[in-house]
Amino acid sequence: NAGVTQTPKFRILKIGQSMTLQCTQDMNHNYMYWYRQDPGMGLKLIYYSVGAGITDKGEVPNGYNVSRSTTEDFPLRLELAAPSQTSVYFCASSKNVDILGAFFGQGTRLTVV
Amino acid sequence: KQEVTQIPAALSVPEGENLVLNCSFTDSAIYNLQWFRQDPGKGLTSLLLIQSSQREQTSGRLNASLDKSSGRSTLYIAASQPGDSATYLCAVSLQTGANNLFFGTGTRLTVIP
Repeated sequence: NAGVTQTPKFRILKIGQSMTLQCTQDMNHNYMYWYRQDPGMGLKLIYYSVGAGITDKGEVPNGYNVSRSTTEDFPLRLELAAPSQTSVYFCASSKNVDILGAFFGQGTRLTVV
Repeated sequence: KQEVTQIPAALSVPEGENLVLNCSFTDSAIYNLQWFRQDPGKGLTSLLLIQSSQREQTSGRLNASLDKSSGRSTLYIAASQPGDSATYLCAVSLQTGANNLFFGTGTRLTVIP
């Protein structure tokens, strides 16, 4: 089925460990986004990309890195995990620049202990 | 900075009842406003989009209105069903651009059979 696929769905990290959250879309969307959602809070934009080879910071980029080598993939890298990065992470993609009709992945629940 | 607030945080209604969810924002110079639905453990699904020049949008039993001057939007759900149980999020964008989408904290709706 067409859509946005995120892996893994759950992960527990120890402080200082690193990991990459994977995101793939098969709709040939140029725009891709990474959000985090903390309990009782709205989604906050971490990074976004307007096309292969182009990325930019969102509202809360510190502690994260991204790359966009292909249209399909937009991985999010955590280099030195901290408890403050415990959250649910959502990847999204859209055809239009205004995230209109965006498709969201099912999320990755990350706990840093 | 744009602040988006949704009240109440949670709402329970009996099946069949009509209901209204509220969204308020601090900066009235918005580009568009969207309502999303989020099911537990799932990503977001876009329900309705209202451009800044519009007053309302309808989709089936859902009707969203927008009053820019007062910084408010409402989502009206007619004849609620248990399948409507979910968290509803509103999000506003100030201008064209992926880095300018601000989410509210959501209203968790429970429709009791």
